[in-house]
Amino acid sequence: GENVEQHPSTLSVQEGDSAVIKCTYSDSASNYFPWYKQELGKGPQLIIDIRSNVGEKKDQRIAVTLNKTAKHFSLHITETQPEDSAVYFCAASISRGSNSGYALNFGKGTSLLVTP
Amino acid sequence: SAVISQKPSRDICQRGTSLTIQCQVDSQVTMMFWYRQQPGQSLTLIATANQGSEATYESGFVIDKFPISRPNLTFSTLTVSNMSPEDSSIYLCSDTDTQYFGPGTRLTVL
Repeated sequence: GENVEQHPSTLSVQEGDSAVIKCTYSDSASNYFPWYKQELGKGPQLIIDIRSNVGEKKDQRIAVTLNKTAKHFSLHITETQPEDSAVYFCAASISRGSNSGYALNFGKGTSLLVTP
Repeated sequence: SAVISQKPSRDICQRGTSLTIQCQVDSQVTMMFWYRQQPGQSLTLIATANQGSEATYESGFVIDKFPISRPNLTFSTLTVSNMSPEDSSIYLCSDTDTQYFGPGTRLTVL
């Protein structure tokens, strides 16, 4: 079946440290892996994504790695800041519809707290 | 990138009533999706809204409870019917082209 596991559920780091969130997925057909940041009272915001033909992608302080063989992908945040505090969700694509469209299967989320 | 808006942003409803949530995308998209986020939980896919055909529902969700319309390539509605307190959630729409989400509709059922 389609399943995404996310760890840890909560993560507390000091400002300036790095934070790593890990996810595993079960559907071998998944080929798109986005990460979302959700602040209180807001909708999820896409912060970075990676496709299955790429092993790593970086955008300033945020990076994502993908190991398709092991069905693992991870989010890395360096030089964390208090404004990085939020809930982070990983997701893996699931095929839907007849036009090669896809929806997302989400992990349960990681509540990240960055303390000054 | 597409901008997705939803109406209403929040509502408080009485048990047994229905609420229709609107989702508008500022560009044409092939597929739109509706998700539910129960309090403190992750997002769960409710259904795929197809233009010109009936929506396709995920396991555990049925058309009688969550009827969906998709009259064109930029708009969809989700109705939460015969509501109960267990339906209190954030309802979100997104599209397959950008995977962006709307701001969500926060529904509280008393």
